[in-house]
Amino acid sequence: NAGVTQTPKFQVLKTGQSMTLQCAQDMNHEYMSWYRQDPGMGLRLIHYSVGAGITDQGEVPNGYNVSRSTTEDFPLRLLSAAPSQTSVYFCASTGGQFHNEQFFGPGTRLTVL
Amino acid sequence: GQSLEQPSEVTAVEGAIVQINCTYQTSGFYGLSWYQQHDGGAPTFLSYNALDGLEETGRFSSFLSRSDSYGYLLLQELQMKDSASYFCAVKEAAGNKLTFGGGTRVLVKP
Repeated sequence: NAGVTQTPKFQVLKTGQSMTLQCAQDMNHEYMSWYRQDPGMGLRLIHYSVGAGITDQGEVPNGYNVSRSTTEDFPLRLLSAAPSQTSVYFCASTGGQFHNEQFFGPGTRLTVL
Repeated sequence: GQSLEQPSEVTAVEGAIVQINCTYQTSGFYGLSWYQQHDGGAPTFLSYNALDGLEETGRFSSFLSRSDSYGYLLLQELQMKDSASYFCAVKEAAGNKLTFGGGTRVLVKP
């Protein structure tokens, strides 16, 4: 199993540009999440999904959209990039024996100029 | 909303024991998780406590007291590779949403 994969690993955008961060998992997990992590801080939940076709907002959803057309894929779209969105983005899926363990992808380091 | 508090940094020597405390204020609570993150890496799962008491996994143990809204992660026989950030996270009652604390940076010195 590849686990949770994310592309790209690094990205530089100009203010106002849009882009999609890709996330995929091959563990057949229903629950997936997107987080952002700013330097020296914890992870903040952007959006999450409890299954294909169902998404909901987390703590910091403004400026981001998500969709979940399949169990495997959970892309995150930046609509109009702003410097405040410079961060590391992690995608995660939830599994484990009692669905208490989040498996994280390697992250995407995004810089918005 | 939820808030979690943990110390920002702890320094210890190899072989020592470190305890990282986490206090939380939540409207709902299902359980407390701990994650480890090395610099430049992704968080990895360490433990989950839903019930009061101590859970031991090798050199790491995690404790929860629901009545005190408090938990801790205990790192024993510290090794250099344990230098990392450690995050506590509360699982809300609804679904699998996690709210993370700000993290504790552990520096292990020779």
